[in-house]
Amino acid sequence: DTEVTQTPKHLVMGMTNKKSLKCEQHMGHRAMYWYKQKAKKPPELMFVYSYEKLSINESVPSRFSPECPNSSLLNLHLHALQPEDSALYLCASSQLSGGAVDEQFFGPGTRLTVL
Amino acid sequence: GQNIDQPTEMTATEGAIVQINCTYQTSGFNGLFWYQQHAGEAPTFLSYNVLDGLEEKGRFSSFLSRSKGYSYLLLKELQMKDSASYLCAVRDRTGRRALTFGSGTRLQVQP
Repeated sequence: DTEVTQTPKHLVMGMTNKKSLKCEQHMGHRAMYWYKQKAKKPPELMFVYSYEKLSINESVPSRFSPECPNSSLLNLHLHALQPEDSALYLCASSQLSGGAVDEQFFGPGTRLTVL
Repeated sequence: GQNIDQPTEMTATEGAIVQINCTYQTSGFNGLFWYQQHAGEAPTFLSYNVLDGLEEKGRFSSFLSRSKGYSYLLLKELQMKDSASYLCAVRDRTGRRALTFGSGTRLQVQP
C-alpha cells in the first residue's frame, strides 16, 4: 500500500459547524503533515507530527485542531471556521528514518467550502 | 525565513525540451524537491537534490547549485500529460522535515 487516503473528498460546512478531516497511511511512515492550499497557490504547511507527537504548529488559529491517534491516522478537527478558510486541505506522510530524501507522499486532499 | 522564486507560467511544444528554473534564499538548506501537481490533484514527488549537480530520472532531470541558490527541472520529450504545475520546495536545516514551496510554474504543453 503506497498511498495516503483522505476523507471526505469534499466538505461544505457552516461557520458554526464542527467537522473533522481524516487522513490515513499504511506505509509505516512516522511523520504526517497537514497543508492548506488555496487556488493557484502552493501548499502552506500547517502542522507536522513526528512519532505521533506534534512537532510543528505554524501559528495556525485554534479553530483548527490536529490529532494523531496512532502512527497511521491523522485528523484535523474544524470548529467555527471562516469563509476564508475555504481551501484544499492536503495530508502528507514521510518515512522520517533511513535515507536522506524522506520525500513526502501526498493524499488527494479534502476540498473544504465554508459558507 | 525562506524565499523561493519560480516563473509563473511557461508554454512548450510536444516533443520539445523545457527548463523550469527555481531560485531560493534560505536560512538553512537540507535539500530541494520538485513536485508535479495536476489541477485538482495532489502533488507527486519528482526529484530531490541535496548536493550540487545533476540528477537524472527518465525524461526528468534536476540540477542544483547551492552556492548560487539555484535549481532547474528539465523535462525532455514533452508529452501532453506533462501539462501541470511544477513546484519547487526547500527543506531547511533545522531538521524539521517540513517543506516550503515556491508558488509553482504552470506548464502548458501544446501540440
